[in-house]
Amino acid sequence: QLQLQESGPGLVKPSETLSLTCTVSGASIFSTIYYWGWVRQPPGKGLEWIGNIYYTGTTYYNPSLKSRATLSVDTSLNQFSLRLDSVTAADTGVYYCVIIPHSINCMDVWGKGTTVTVSS
Amino acid sequence: DTVLTQSPGILSLSPGERATLSCRASQTVANNYLAWYQQKPGQAPRLLIHGASSRAPGIPDRFSGSGSGTDFSLTVSRLEPEDVAVFFCHQYGNAPWTFGQGTKVEIK
Repeated sequence: QLQLQESGPGLVKPSETLSLTCTVSGASIFSTIYYWGWVRQPPGKGLEWIGNIYYTGTTYYNPSLKSRATLSVDTSLNQFSLRLDSVTAADTGVYYCVIIPHSINCMDVWGKGTTVTVSS
Repeated sequence: DTVLTQSPGILSLSPGERATLSCRASQTVANNYLAWYQQKPGQAPRLLIHGASSRAPGIPDRFSGSGSGTDFSLTVSRLEPEDVAVFFCHQYGNAPWTFGQGTKVEIK
């Protein structure tokens, strides 16, 4: 059964870097059947796509993040990660990692989400 | 960016009634790559519909999606109390991927 689990610090100071990891179980990060992504949700608001990454390392990002986001894959740990630089209070919210099957090309399985607060 | 506008903002209906949610895109969604998600309080979104009209595995057949181009809809044929949630449409046909602002479904 495909499962995802986000992990990372719940509190980050303004101007610092937010780093989150998503651990994949039930599938290999090398899989050619899936690719991987991140979505976030500010408190009480809607959803925002952050970016996607393939096992090859090819990435696609939302331009709204102005090049602050970096996605990477750690094949030895079967994980993928999100790094977001120069955070502000506007980056506060719940961050979800997602699985995207090539067969349907949209976000299918979601992690439970992890809450990140940007505050000094 | 492709802006998705959902209506109504809030839908309040009785159990057994039919719910119709609308999602209008600011430009044609390539390949009709339009999905619907259900998000219950405190939970992650759950995929209901992809490709505008294909039901995800395990989703009851009272949920159906339709539409093409710029106009899409999600219908819940017979509302049940467990359907209380916010429903989001999402387009993944045009870069960057975008979401609608959501429709909240309440049970009277």
